[in-house]
Amino acid sequence: KAGVTQTPRYLIKTRGQQVTLSCSPISGHRSVSWYQQTPGQGLQFLFEYFSETQRNKGNFPGRFSGRQFSNSRSEMNVSTLELGDSALYLCASSASGARDTIYFGEGSWLTVV
Amino acid sequence: AQSVTQLGSHVSVSEGALVLLRCNYSSSVPPYLFWYVQYPNQGLQLLLKYTSAATLVKGINGFEAEFKKSETSFHLTKPSAHMSDAAEYFCAVSESRYSTLTFGKGTMLLVSP
Repeated sequence: KAGVTQTPRYLIKTRGQQVTLSCSPISGHRSVSWYQQTPGQGLQFLFEYFSETQRNKGNFPGRFSGRQFSNSRSEMNVSTLELGDSALYLCASSASGARDTIYFGEGSWLTVV
Repeated sequence: AQSVTQLGSHVSVSEGALVLLRCNYSSSVPPYLFWYVQYPNQGLQLLLKYTSAATLVKGINGFEAEFKKSETSFHLTKPSAHMSDAAEYFCAVSESRYSTLTFGKGTMLLVSP
């Protein structure tokens, strides 16, 4: 079956702009999580959605937001981009939570200039 | 709060040698533990996971890990390294059935011929 699909794979944005990243989970998976990966901070949890509801949230400013649709697809949005937002953003899906296998997508590489 | 410490940001081994990547965790409740591998410019691939069943967990590509509660450790091993094992390895912990993973900083495995 198809894996976790993230779009776009690469993008370049200017400071102050906003960006929307998309994630299509594995069919049947209801939990979608987002992570930010940077060389300095490593992998950090952003938020998790389950059945269209945010179930968990990491320690990121309000500029970072997300949502999940009824088909479990998820989007995350970053407004007023800063240079420090340059990172690999990874989406992960699982059937219901950590007890299940959590699969990651290839990620979206965001560069802010 | 949960946390993960991976000892050694880089580990070098010769092809055919034993691979040992160390992971210690901190958790206030029985944890779920995971090892992921990341190849350059790719997402994370699950190697194995511990979810309170057998303490010795076998994963893909010949890797295994042993959960030791008394030592709060979950070290990853492979009897014989292969060149294709060169990648970055992440240990992660989850305290809940939700999909929130806390990752270690990662260990880059270098394999020389």
